[in-house]
Amino acid sequence: GESVGLHLPTLSVQEGDNSIINCAYSNSASDYFIWYKQESGKGPQFIIDIRSNMDKRQGQRVTVLLNKTVKHLSLQIAATQPGDSAVYFCAEVTANQFYFGTGTSLTVIP
Amino acid sequence: DGGITQSPKYLFRKEGQNVTLSCEQNLNHDAMYWYRQDPGQGLRLIYYSQIVNDFQKGDIAEGYSVSREKKESFPLTVTSAQKNPTAFYLCASTVTGTGDEKLFFGSGTQLSVL
Repeated sequence: GESVGLHLPTLSVQEGDNSIINCAYSNSASDYFIWYKQESGKGPQFIIDIRSNMDKRQGQRVTVLLNKTVKHLSLQIAATQPGDSAVYFCAEVTANQFYFGTGTSLTVIP
Repeated sequence: DGGITQSPKYLFRKEGQNVTLSCEQNLNHDAMYWYRQDPGQGLRLIYYSQIVNDFQKGDIAEGYSVSREKKESFPLTVTSAQKNPTAFYLCASTVTGTGDEKLFFGSGTQLSVL
């Protein structure tokens, strides 16, 4: 999962397996959550978002789960591909302010 | 194509020099943001602007300045007062007031000190 610090959490998965990336957030009043993917030397790209009144949202090969009881967010990537290798981080949004986690580095092993 | 354009991709600063990073968007977004990214750390907010001719300091504004004279443009100046400017700088923008505020990012500028 994500944490504050100088070392990114890492996750290595075999190509074709499912990946689960976790994020703990702090503000129970946050009304919106976003997952971003960032490849090396590039800007973050939007993957999927979820509102605080939802528990689950699915996109193409990705699913986001929100557990408000324990303030936990997860991103599931199905059938992980080499192109999925990147840093993934979550953002919590409150009143147009965005708070980012440090990210998890995902490496896909061919 | 709509999007956010940052330039230059790489920038080098000499001691005592001010440098300006460009950020332009054609998404008609009201709000624009500047973040600094250091290796292994999350994005830290430098400045943001919700409307033209207005901007607010973020968490690490010292040593930086911005302007918002046009809706499309939000340049960031890294002044000589910023003693540790080496980092990856990201500009972002979003709509406001829709309840659908997701940040769209530019491709970033890597600033290094000579």
